[in-house]
Amino acid sequence: DAGVIQSPRHEVTEMGQEVTLRCKPISGHNSLFWYRQTMMRGLELLIYFNNNVPIDDSGMPEDRFSAKMPNASFSTLKIQPSEPRDSAVYFCATSGLAVVDEQFFGPGTRLTVL
Amino acid sequence: QKEVEQDPGPLSVPEGAIVSLNCTYSNSAFQYFMWYRQYSRKGPELLMYTYSSGNKEDGRFTAQVDKSSKYISLFIRDSQPSDSATYLCASVRGSASKIIFGSGTRLSIRP
Repeated sequence: DAGVIQSPRHEVTEMGQEVTLRCKPISGHNSLFWYRQTMMRGLELLIYFNNNVPIDDSGMPEDRFSAKMPNASFSTLKIQPSEPRDSAVYFCATSGLAVVDEQFFGPGTRLTVL
Repeated sequence: QKEVEQDPGPLSVPEGAIVSLNCTYSNSAFQYFMWYRQYSRKGPELLMYTYSSGNKEDGRFTAQVDKSSKYISLFIRDSQPSDSATYLCASVRGSASKIIFGSGTRLSIRP
């Protein structure tokens, strides 16, 4: 298995532009998580899905952020419009159905908003 | 106050030393406690997890939880340069699928 796949790996954009991050989960995993990591705030959970349904989006910072999971093999995180303070590494992670679910993280997307 | 607090370091020790990494948490409802390791420019990966209080050993690594003091520890024996990474403690609440991470401690092992 290739693990969690994220694209792009790096994204540099200008303030005000729309940014779309993509994630392909491990086949058979039912839960998908989007995290943001910065030096100042550490690893923050933005939103997570279970069986393609958003369960908790309380970590989404504001309405500029949105996430979708149209099917079991694909999810997107969109920022529109982007701002410099959105610069961070965004991770997608997935897990199965065990009581203690190990989350498998993707390699991350390093986003820089100028 | 964050639910899981962790000293960010950095922590630098010589090869072969015993390393102690620590976290505190505030939510008494936490039942599962985890340590994730994150190498530079990589995603975190699960290193160990424990349920409730007690110790768990895996090779050179020992995870310890004291629920009475809300204290989580990770000990690394005979530390190696390859152990150089950021270590994140984490706790699970509620549905067991939402993990609360500490901010991570950056560890460097000097050869």
